[in-house]
Amino acid sequence: GQNIDQPTEMTATEGAIVQINCTYQTSGFNGLFWYQQHAGEAPTFLSYNVLDGLEEKGRFSSFLSRSKGYSYLLLKELQMKDSASYLCAVRDSNYQLIWGAGTKLIIKP
Amino acid sequence: DVKVTQSSRYLVKRTGEKVFLECVQDMDHENMFWYRQDPGLGLRLIYFSYDVKMKEKGDIPEGYSVSREKKERFSLILESASTNQTSMYLCASARGEPSGANVLTFGAGSRLTVL
Repeated sequence: GQNIDQPTEMTATEGAIVQINCTYQTSGFNGLFWYQQHAGEAPTFLSYNVLDGLEEKGRFSSFLSRSKGYSYLLLKELQMKDSASYLCAVRDSNYQLIWGAGTKLIIKP
Repeated sequence: DVKVTQSSRYLVKRTGEKVFLECVQDMDHENMFWYRQDPGLGLRLIYFSYDVKMKEKGDIPEGYSVSREKKERFSLILESASTNQTSMYLCASARGEPSGANVLTFGAGSRLTVL
């Protein structure tokens, strides 16, 4: 079966760095997405990786290793507004999105 | 700046009632999707549509139907609501082919409680 694994919850301190991991086993691979979802709000797109390596976008970076079935989202200089759930999703060989359950990130002052 | 609008944020219905969830997008996107989001589970695709009057079953279509009479509007219908359909329902839209960084734009969700 297809599976995406992420930690359920993480806690970090304002100003620090946090890494949210995502591992996947899917039927084929056509890209990996990270979305951010604040409580009670719509998920919003953060990043897209299709080739191995690191994609940097401001305070957020996303890494992909296709051979390991592994990605991480790196958040630097954490702010209170980064408290949210982070969803990892993989597009499989049929171009369908398979979603992880999300990681709830709690930022403490 | 709102691009995907779901008509109802919160609904409470009784078992057996017919429920309509409406979704409208203003981005002229070809593709529209209905997901449900439950604690501890990833988003699960109920139905999607890649064109007007077209629909495709997702992973969990049982107990649901959809309607897409106009490009901008995609409706989810629960013919006879049951308690196991209590959930958060998310509508999303996307442009064109599902390739590259072709991302989904989501609505804020409709939280349905079936008593």
